[in-house]
Order: sequence, then structure tokens, then C-alpha cells
Amino acid sequence: QVQLQESGPGLVKPSENLSLTCSVSGASLNSPYFYWTWIRQRPGTGLEWIGYISYSGNTHYNPSLESRVSISVGTSKTQFSLNVTSATAADTAIYYCARGREPLGFCSSANCHWFDLWGQGTQVTVSS
Amino acid sequence: EIVLTQSPGTLSLSLGERATLSCRASQSVSARYVAWYQQKPGQAPRLLIYGASSRAADIPDTFSGSGSGTDFTLTISRLEPEDFAVYYCQQYGSSHGLSFGGGTKVEI
Repeated sequence: QVQLQESGPGLVKPSENLSLTCSVSGASLNSPYFYWTWIRQRPGTGLEWIGYISYSGNTHYNPSLESRVSISVGTSKTQFSLNVTSATAADTAIYYCARGREPLGFCSSANCHWFDLWGQGTQVTVSS
Repeated sequence: EIVLTQSPGTLSLSLGERATLSCRASQSVSARYVAWYQQKPGQAPRLLIYGASSRAADIPDTFSGSGSGTDFTLTISRLEPEDFAVYYCQQYGSSHGLSFGGGTKVEI
């Protein structure tokens, strides 16, 4: 049974980096054809896709966050991480890691995924 | 970017009733690439439907999805106590990438 679990600091100061880790049990991150994704939910708003790292190591990010975001895989291949630079109050959110799946048919974009497994989420507050 | 508008914002129903949730896209969603999720307070979203009508693993058949083009529907045939939650649609068929709707809350 595959499970995902987020971890990281719950409080980040403005202008500092926000770093989170997702630990994956029951699966390897290089198993085809999964896309290891970060999604966030800001207070009172819906869900926002942040980006992913694929089973082959490719990354793809939300254009609105691309200049500040990076996602990487740990050496154990059972963890992947999110780094957001220069955090602001607008980055305050619940952050989820999720496993993305792609359809068997044609995809017209690089993030043609639905999300079949999610971590429980971790609250991050950006405040001094 | 495809904007997804979910309606109604809140649906007030009773146990055993049928719930019909709408998700309207600003442009046609190719190949019926729409998913639906259920989110309860303090929990992560849970996948219910993908490909507009395929139920995810372990999802009861009281949940069904339908639609094509710009109009998609999630139907809960008989509401159980555990079905009261917020439901989100998501499209993944746009050349501009995926997007989520704003959610519909199903309440007693």
C-alpha cells in the first residue's frame, strides 16, 4: 500500500526559504509512470498545482511560481522535496504531496494528470 | 488556462437524497479529462472519478460522473452521512495545463 507523508517546518519567516519533504512508502519514485506532485490550498481558496518531478526525473512547474520553486528527489528515491525561495505571506497554505497519473490517451500539455494518492497535508505559515 | 466554475456553491440536502454537482469549463476539455475529488474537514482531497466517468479504486457505485465538452456532472445517487463534504472538479486536458474548480459544499 503506497502512502505519502509531508514533513517540514510549520512556520517560516518572510523572505526565507520554505522547504518541505514528502516521504513515500510502498513505492519507488522512479516507477513508471508516476508524477510526484506538490499542490497547495491557501486559506479560503481552492487547490493550486505547484509542480512535479516525474519518474524519469523531469520537472515541470506552475508558471506563476516557476521563478521561486524547485522540486527534487532524495538519494534514497523514497523522498521528494519542495523548495520555495523568498517566501511571503501569500505562500501561507496547506501543502500536499500527491501522486499524479497520466491517461493512456493523448496529452496536450506537460501536466496532464489526475491525482490518485495524497499525503495528509502540512500547514505552513509565513510570518515574522 | 481553462477556468472551471462549480455550481451550486453550497448544496443543502438530506440523507438518502440525490446530489447533482455541476462543473462548467470555460473551454472544451479534450478527451473528457476531468476528475472529481472529495474533501472532508482537516483531510486531504480523495480521488473519486477520473476520465469524467471512471470510478477510482474503492469508490462506491453511488458516485458517478458524466459529461463532455464544457459541462460535467458528479452525481451521488443516495447521500450517506459520510458524503457530506466539499467536492472539487479538475481538468487535465488543456494545452495550458491542469486547473481546479472552486468547489461545491454538500451539507445537511
